[in-house]
Amino acid sequence: EVRLVESGGGLVQPGGSLRLSCAASGFTFSPYWMSWVRQSPGKGLEWVANLKGDGSEKNYVDSVKGRFTISRDNAKNSLYLQMDSLRAEDTAVYHCARVRIVGVTTTTEYYYYMDVWGKGTTVTVSS
Amino acid sequence: EIVLTQSPGTLSLSPGERATLSCRASQSVSSSYLAWYQQKPGQAPRLLIYGAASRATGIPDRFSGSGSGTDFTLTISRLEPEDFAVYYCQQYGNSLWTFGQGTKVEIK
Repeated sequence: EVRLVESGGGLVQPGGSLRLSCAASGFTFSPYWMSWVRQSPGKGLEWVANLKGDGSEKNYVDSVKGRFTISRDNAKNSLYLQMDSLRAEDTAVYHCARVRIVGVTTTTEYYYYMDVWGKGTTVTVSS
Repeated sequence: EIVLTQSPGTLSLSPGERATLSCRASQSVSSSYLAWYQQKPGQAPRLLIYGAASRATGIPDRFSGSGSGTDFTLTISRLEPEDFAVYYCQQYGNSLWTFGQGTKVEIK
């Protein structure tokens, strides 16, 4: 069974740090781009960051640039999110997701989507 | 950054009825980069549609997607009890991903 399980969430004070982990199983982890997506209480989904399979490319939403760092350990089938200088507005459930980039038949285009998601880990930033 | 605006915010319908959800982009989006997800309370999002119109594995054929450019639609032909949930559209562009704010489909 293809599975993603997040951990590492908790309560942290503003300005503090937290490291989230995402354990992948049931598929070969290393070739896939992976993403972190968060959902603030009662709100919608917000993409946070993504990382190429070999770790050579990464992208972030503007609101976390310079504060969050995405990384991975392919030997451990794990994805990480180091969150520093945390703010109240970072309070959310953080999901990891597998990114699929699939060629469209008979064209040079590619499909981009997220096909496997974890249930998430909750981060609360509060004093 | 491309902004996705979903409408309506809430759709109140009865089981068996047809649901039509809209996703409008602030600028043109490649159809191959447009996806739809379903989310139920306390659960992870579930991929329904990718490439604007292709159903993901295991998704019933009552779900269909259409559209191009800036206007995309998710249609549920006949609502089943398990379809009452929140639905999000998502697009990829310039190495970034954005989601719409969601449409809640609730039981009338």
